[in-house]
Amino acid sequence: DIVMTQSPDSLAVSLGERATITCKSSQSVLYSSNKKNYLAWYQQKPGQPPKLLIYWTSTRESGVPDRFSGSGSGTDFTLTISSLQAEDVAVYYCQQYYSAPHTFGQGTKLEIK
Amino acid sequence: EVQLLESGGGLVQPGGSLRLSCAASGFTFRSYAMSWVRQAPGKGLEWVSGFSGSGASTYYADSVKGRFTISRDTSKNTLYLQMNSLRAEDTALYYCAKGGYDNSGYYPYWGQGTLVTVSS
Repeated sequence: DIVMTQSPDSLAVSLGERATITCKSSQSVLYSSNKKNYLAWYQQKPGQPPKLLIYWTSTRESGVPDRFSGSGSGTDFTLTISSLQAEDVAVYYCQQYYSAPHTFGQGTKLEIK
Repeated sequence: EVQLLESGGGLVQPGGSLRLSCAASGFTFRSYAMSWVRQAPGKGLEWVSGFSGSGASTYYADSVKGRFTISRDTSKNTLYLQMNSLRAEDTALYYCAKGGYDNSGYYPYWGQGTLVTVSS
């Protein structure tokens, strides 16, 4: 199974500042035939199901603000929130869908400093 | 509008069984990958089981392999998870999730979840 490891486990950032979360996979999630990285990011707020933010490493889901961006390739990935807003307080998860089981990272709790 | 509605959760004793259902609407159910993802109280997300988009293949996490069985009824647009030999560590909120727009394994749509509690 592919193990997904996020860092940090928790993060406190001031409003308007940049927040960066990293995700590392135990093996590459880059499919050579289509050059796509099978990596997604989710946001989860208390009492709610996860919300898809980004798929294919950097494709923003419809309706997701452009302050959210994803990057990376192979085994190392990053979710960046360019200017933190109060409504971004949540837990963020990465997920690989390169191979089953489609494992998630352990989550990163993002708070306001 | 895509809707996923889970049901079937409840309190069950260790070693018992439970069947979860996920009623789907708003899309061509038989054409999409579907999965179950769970979340233990206060913990992170754990992918449990899934169907490929064609329905020809099923997949399981090691933690449930041999105990859980995923199935679907395309005439009822319903996904199931039969859970046997339940353990305390299976206690969680179980979400049903629909595969991505291109039938890949990311999940744009989630249900609200159904709670399973395994306790004596």
